Amino acid sequence: DAGVIQSPRHEVTEMGQEVTLRCKPISGHNSLFWYRQTMMRGLELLIYFNNNVPIDDSGMPEDRFSAKMPNASFSTLKIQPSEPRDSAVYFCASSFGRGGYEQYFGPGTRLTVT
Amino acid sequence: SQQGEEDPQALSIQEGENATMNCSYKTSINNLQWYRQNSGRGLVHLILIRSNEREKHSGRLRVTLDTSKKSSSLLITASRAADTASYFCATVSPGYSTLTFGKGTMLLVSP
Repeated sequence: DAGVIQSPRHEVTEMGQEVTLRCKPISGHNSLFWYRQTMMRGLELLIYFNNNVPIDDSGMPEDRFSAKMPNASFSTLKIQPSEPRDSAVYFCASSFGRGGYEQYFGPGTRLTVT
Repeated sequence: SQQGEEDPQALSIQEGENATMNCSYKTSINNLQWYRQNSGRGLVHLILIRSNEREKHSGRLRVTLDTSKKSSSLLITASRAADTASYFCATVSPGYSTLTFGKGTMLLVSP
């Protein structure tokens, strides 16, 4: 099993540009989570999907952030326009069932916005 | 907001020693989980303990849970340099399907 796959692993972009992060969950998992990790705020849940449907997006910082899950094997997190304060490591994780149990994390995307 | 708070923030020990990390939380839980994160990597699930359990073992790991004190501890016995990582506790509250993570304990095991 390849585990959770994220791309790109590193992204450097200029303020104002659009950024798209991608995630492929583990096959058979039906819950998917996007997190953001910074030194100041730690690990924050941005959005949670179950069976491709967004269940909890209360952690999405503002309208500049959007996430989609068009099918069970693919999700995107988009930031438009990006700002320097969006610099962080973004993780995707997946799990069986409705969540609340063991989560499998991807390697993360390190985003730097200059 | 953070549900779990780990203590200490950082811990430095020698190989072969035991490492104990603590986690306190504020509200009732369904389960509590511990994860490890090596530098530059994603988190890896270590162990899950349910609210009706008091202790759980997995290899060199021992987790305890005291719901009356709203606290948990992770003990790593006979530590190795490869155990160097950050360790996070995460809680799941009743009626919720998501984890709330603490800020973690950085463990350094020196050879």
